[in-house]
Amino acid sequence: QSALTQPPSASGSPGQSVTISCTGTSSDVGRYNFVSWYQQHPGKAPKLMIYEVNQRPSGVPDRFSGSKSGNTASLTVSGLQAEDEADYYCSSYAGSNSFVFGTGTKVAVL
Amino acid sequence: QLQLVEFGGGVVQPGRSLRLSCAASGFTLSTYGMHWVRQAPGKGLEWVAVISRDGSERYYADSVKGRFTISRDNSMYTLYLQMNSLKTEDTAVYYCAKEYFPGVGANGYFDYWGQGTLVTVSS
Repeated sequence: QSALTQPPSASGSPGQSVTISCTGTSSDVGRYNFVSWYQQHPGKAPKLMIYEVNQRPSGVPDRFSGSKSGNTASLTVSGLQAEDEADYYCSSYAGSNSFVFGTGTKVAVL
Repeated sequence: QLQLVEFGGGVVQPGRSLRLSCAASGFTLSTYGMHWVRQAPGKGLEWVAVISRDGSERYYADSVKGRFTISRDNSMYTLYLQMNSLKTEDTAVYYCAKEYFPGVGANGYFDYWGQGTLVTVSS
């Protein structure tokens, strides 16, 4: 149950796009499509942004999109807005009824 | 309005026990699997445990297996986490979180979270 690997930080100017990677193994991200992404603002609980690799819950803007290739999942935020500045975490099913989160990425809107 | 509210955090000495509660409202608790997720101060999220909608299946992270027990009382709309033999590395904000989809299996999609309760393990 090792944490999935994410870059510590990412940034972009308003209106630009930023992509965050989430690298796991063939036992988690690579094996299952149960990948989700969460946004967390300081002092707040996380919010589900993407589930099942690329599905958006109701109410999440279509500026947020997800994808997966091999052992790496990605979250892209297009048309960056100031309110997108937050920490982002990926998560995956890891088999044997266990789950694992990513190390987290701090996104800055310059 | 769906709501999850955690209770029971506090300061506890290493080796001692603590029980967290999570009061659920605004949805039918018995329809959903439920999880506990924790976050050490300034650190990332860590999945802790999951319980099936009827409580018959429970699974744990290796880091807490044998020390923590997740349980639920659907009639009381409450989720619990019994934490025994606490270690300093268990210090974290503990969140209860609801599965996005109803049903038997857990997919690990957490669509509602509580505000969290801080557990500090220190002598």
